[in-house]
Amino acid sequence: EIVLTQSPGTLSLSPGERATLSCRASQSVSDSYLAWYQQKPGQAPRLLIYVASSRATGIPDRFSGSGSGTDFTLTISRLEPEDFAVYYCQQYGNSPLTFGGGTQVEIK
Amino acid sequence: EVQLLESGGGWVQPGGSLRLSCAASGFAFSSYVMNWVRQAPGKGLEWVSSISGRGDSTYYADSVKGRFTISRDNSKNTVYLQMNSLRAEDTAVYYCAKGQRSTGTTRFDPWGQGTLVTVSS
Repeated sequence: EIVLTQSPGTLSLSPGERATLSCRASQSVSDSYLAWYQQKPGQAPRLLIYVASSRATGIPDRFSGSGSGTDFTLTISRLEPEDFAVYYCQQYGNSPLTFGGGTQVEIK
Repeated sequence: EVQLLESGGGWVQPGGSLRLSCAASGFAFSSYVMNWVRQAPGKGLEWVSSISGRGDSTYYADSVKGRFTISRDNSKNTVYLQMNSLRAEDTAVYYCAKGQRSTGTTRFDPWGQGTLVTVSS
């Protein structure tokens, strides 16, 4: 099983700042099948990024993903008020499918 | 527009059973893997089970293998999760999520709104 470790656990930033979230895998993720999801309180998760760097439909270009192998990054270039949420990475290259523990982006 | 609507959640005693349903619309249902993902209160996401578009391949997390059964009825555009021998640690919001191809591992997009399962005496 591939274990995904997200860091930091909590990121305290102000609107307009840049957010950098990390997701590290215990072994290489096949074909960079790594996705990022955003979850707001009381809502279902929403797909942001897939295959490490492709934005899902309707996702603003301030969200970007990068990385390969075992190290992946989600960057939010300038935080908007609606971006404060919890973010999860997920690998779907190997079974069982696994998620990271999440990074909460909170308002400083 | 793709829509996924879960139902069937509720309260059940330990050892009991529950069947969740997820009614889908807005896409060619039989062409896509369907998935169940759960989230315990205040915790992260955990993949539970997946089923291929034709229903001939099923996959389970070790934590539910032998207790849960995923199935689908392509004539009704519905996927099910039969949950038996429920434990307190199965308490969670259960989400239905659409895959991106007919078989194999996929990302999840979109997700339903979820249905809460509470296992308690």
